[in-house]
Parts: sequence; structure tokens; C-alpha cells
Amino acid sequence: AQSVTQLDSQVPVFEEAPVELRCNYSSSVSVYLFWYVQYPNQGLQLLLKYLSGSTLVESINGFEAEFNKSQTSFHLRKPSVHISDTAEYFCASTDTGRRALTFGSGTRLQVQP
Amino acid sequence: KAGVTQTPRYLIKTRGQQVTLSCSPISGHRSVSWYQQTPGQGLQFLFEYFSETQRNKGNFPGRFSGRQFSNSRSEMNVSTLELGDSALYLCASSPRVGTGELFFGEGSRLTVL
Repeated sequence: AQSVTQLDSQVPVFEEAPVELRCNYSSSVSVYLFWYVQYPNQGLQLLLKYLSGSTLVESINGFEAEFNKSQTSFHLRKPSVHISDTAEYFCASTDTGRRALTFGSGTRLQVQP
Repeated sequence: KAGVTQTPRYLIKTRGQQVTLSCSPISGHRSVSWYQQTPGQGLQFLFEYFSETQRNKGNFPGRFSGRQFSNSRSEMNVSTLELGDSALYLCASSPRVGTGELFFGEGSRLTVL
């Protein structure tokens, strides 16, 4: 069975500071990995995904994540955050056998001025 | 292109009643998934439909059911409501089954009194 662990429930950070949101997955088979973002009172939006190939994946708004198979991690990073990045971030995985997504418990990123 | 539309957005029911939630996927998307989101349990997978057939099912009791119509629209039903069913119910669509690349609606917030 798959599981996804997000180690931090809340991450407060000042504007323009770097941030890392941690995610570890557990699976006995190959996985696809995702980060989703949820802004207040909205549904989830896909931020970035790792399916295969390059282990470093980037989003259009400056976030990046690196797939590390040996450490079973898929941490999300941004070198300089903005107030508008305040949201809840969910890491998710699915195995390549086309099963449903398993989500982590979420990390609330709070960007302060 | 219109996004995923969920109705109703908010509803209040009492214990023992039943509820039906509706989801219209993005045009051309044939896969529809449902998730329950609560503060305590996070995001939990309910079921996934593709071409009117249930392809994946989560660990929820039989009170939770769903269906998909020939136009890919989906409904989920919860019978004999319990207080613990209070949650945000999220629908997501995708062009294919089990890819993890989901497009979410804004959700239906159910309160059970």
C-alpha cells in the first residue's frame, strides 16, 4: 500500500525568503508524484508532477521539486516566496498501475510580510 | 474551456437524511473521481468512474455510492447521514484513468446537524 507523509503541518516564512516543504512517500512499486495547491475556499490545483525522466521538475510560478528515489522524497522548494503563495500544499502519489491518488496530510504555507 | 462544476456548493442536512451531489467534468474528460476532505482525516479517495464504470473504490461504507452518466457527468449519494459525514466533497476530472493529473472543482460543503 502507498502512503505519503508531509512532515510539517504549518510552515511560516517571511516574504522573499526561501522555503522547502517536505514530502516522503512509501511504495513498493514505481510511482508518479505530484504537488497540488489549495487556496482558501477553492479546490485543488496541480502545481507540478513527476512521471519519469528528469528528477527535477518545475512549475510556471517558480516552485520546483526533486524526485529522490534513494530517500523516497519529493520535497517542494521555492527560492523566494510571495504573499500570494500563502495556501495549503498537498503532496500525492499514485503507482504506475493506474490506481487512485494518495494524498499527504497537507502543509499550510503562511507567508508573512 | 469551462472547469469542473459542482453543485450545490453548500448544503445542510440532518442526521438520517440522504444527499446527492453533482459534478460536471471538463468537456472531453471521461474520468471523474470523488474525494472527501475533512480537517481530521485530510483528503480521502471515495471512487473513480470512467465511461460509466467504477474503476477504483476507496475504503468507505456502502452508504457512499456514485454513478456516472453517458455524458460523463457524475453524482455521488450518501444515505443515512451521520455527523461525521460533514466535509468538503471534491470532484475531479481527468482525460484518463489513474494518471494522477486531476482537475478539481471547488467542492460541495456538506454540514450534517
